[in-house]
Amino acid sequence: QSVLTQPPSVSGAPGQRVTISCTGSISNIGAGYDVHWYQQLPGTAPKVLIYDNNNRPSGVPDRFSGSKSGTSASLAITGLQAEDEAHYYCQSYDYTLSVVFGGGTRVTVL
Amino acid sequence: EVQVVESGGDLVQPGGSLRLSCAASGFPVSSNYMIWVRQAPGKGLEWVSIIYSGGGTYYPGSVKDRFTISRDTSKNTVYLQMNSLRAEDTAVYYCARVLGFSDAGGYRHFDYWGQGTLVTVSS
Repeated sequence: QSVLTQPPSVSGAPGQRVTISCTGSISNIGAGYDVHWYQQLPGTAPKVLIYDNNNRPSGVPDRFSGSKSGTSASLAITGLQAEDEAHYYCQSYDYTLSVVFGGGTRVTVL
Repeated sequence: EVQVVESGGDLVQPGGSLRLSCAASGFPVSSNYMIWVRQAPGKGLEWVSIIYSGGGTYYPGSVKDRFTISRDTSKNTVYLQMNSLRAEDTAVYYCARVLGFSDAGGYRHFDYWGQGTLVTVSS
C-alpha cells in the first residue's frame, strides 16, 4: 500500500487528454511539500518528467503538465501519443516517512 | 556528461550479503545527496537509503539495521551494503542524484538515475 494513491491505469486515444491523480495527506502533499513526477518507459529507469509540482526539465514536451492543490496533485498529458505509453509515478516528501512514492499508473494509448 | 552506473547485483541466498556500487561521473558525490531506490518485479518504487552531502544517512524501517549506505569520494562512488537479505529484497536497485532540499522543505527531485542492477534473493 503506497502512501500516495494513484489510479492503477488510465487510457486514451491518440490526441486525447488524460490525467493522473496523486492523492496524499496532511503529512506529505498537504503539508506543502513539492510533488515530482517520473516516467518509466518499459525496461528502462525512471526519468523526471515534472519537478516542483509544475516544472518541466528541458527536453520534456509541453504536452506534459503538473498541478497541485491541497492534499493532491495531478499530471496531465494532452495530445496523447503512442510513445507516452509508460508507467508514471508521483513522489513527494512526508515528515514522518521521508521519501514517498505513488504506486504508479500505467498509461495505455488505445 | 553526468552519469551514474550501478553494479554488483547478483543472485544471493536468504540471509546473505551483497554490496552494490554506484559510480558517478560529471559531478562529485561528496557535494551531492545520493539515494538508492528499488523496484520489485512488477511493482512500484521504494526508497531504501539516502546519504547527504554532509555524510548523514537515513533509511526506511524496512531496511534499517540491515542496509548501510556509504561513499568513497576518491572513487566518486556510493555503495549499498546489504546484509541479512530476504526474499522480499529481490528488486532492481537504482542509484540517483537528489538535488538537495527544496524551499518547501522536502527533497528536490532525483535528476539523474542509473540503469539499475538486479538483486535476486533466493535459495
